[in-house]
Amino acid sequence: AQSVAQPEDQVNVAEGNPLTVKCTYSVSGNPYLFWYVQYPNRGLQFLLKYITGDNLVKGSYGFEAEFNKSQTSFHLKKPSALVSDSALYFCALRGGATNKLIFGTGTLLAVQP
Amino acid sequence: AAGVIQSPRHLIKEKRETATLKCYPIPRHDTVYWYQQGPGQDPQFLISFYEKMQSDKGSIPDRFSAQQFSDYHSELNMSSLELGDSALYFCASSRSDRVGDTQYFGPGTRLTVL
Repeated sequence: AQSVAQPEDQVNVAEGNPLTVKCTYSVSGNPYLFWYVQYPNRGLQFLLKYITGDNLVKGSYGFEAEFNKSQTSFHLKKPSALVSDSALYFCALRGGATNKLIFGTGTLLAVQP
Repeated sequence: AAGVIQSPRHLIKEKRETATLKCYPIPRHDTVYWYQQGPGQDPQFLISFYEKMQSDKGSIPDRFSAQQFSDYHSELNMSSLELGDSALYFCASSRSDRVGDTQYFGPGTRLTVL
């Protein structure tokens, strides 16, 4: 069965510090992995995706993610957090024959000034 | 850049009523997806369409139906509404149904069932 896990409900980080939001996955076959961000009462905004190629993927707003096949992880990172990065972050998996996205439970990122 | 358009943005209905949600994909996107996000939950896939044909089906209740029209817009029809149907309903679109294509989400329709 395909699944995505985000082990942290909330991540707190001070502005200017690096941030990491964790994601692990389980899939048979090749994983196609995505990160989305959701601001309050807003839709999901696409940040970045891993399809194939370089394990380090760069995305919008200075975010990047590292794909690690041996650890089945796809952690989201940013070198220097901004208060405006505070939002709910979802990791999602699309794998196998299905075209649906399977989402993790989300991680609330809180960046303190 | 044009985004996915959903209407209405907010909808309030009574139990047992019906509701229709509309989705207009990004121009030249031929695949549409519907997701339901309950309060404090992650989005759950309902159904998708590629070139006006249903391409995948998730946990969509039998009371719900959907279709994609010739202009690629999609409608989600919900009947015999229940309190538990209160949620944020997202539509997403992609250029095709290939697994690597990014799904771009609309702002959502917030449905409240009283």
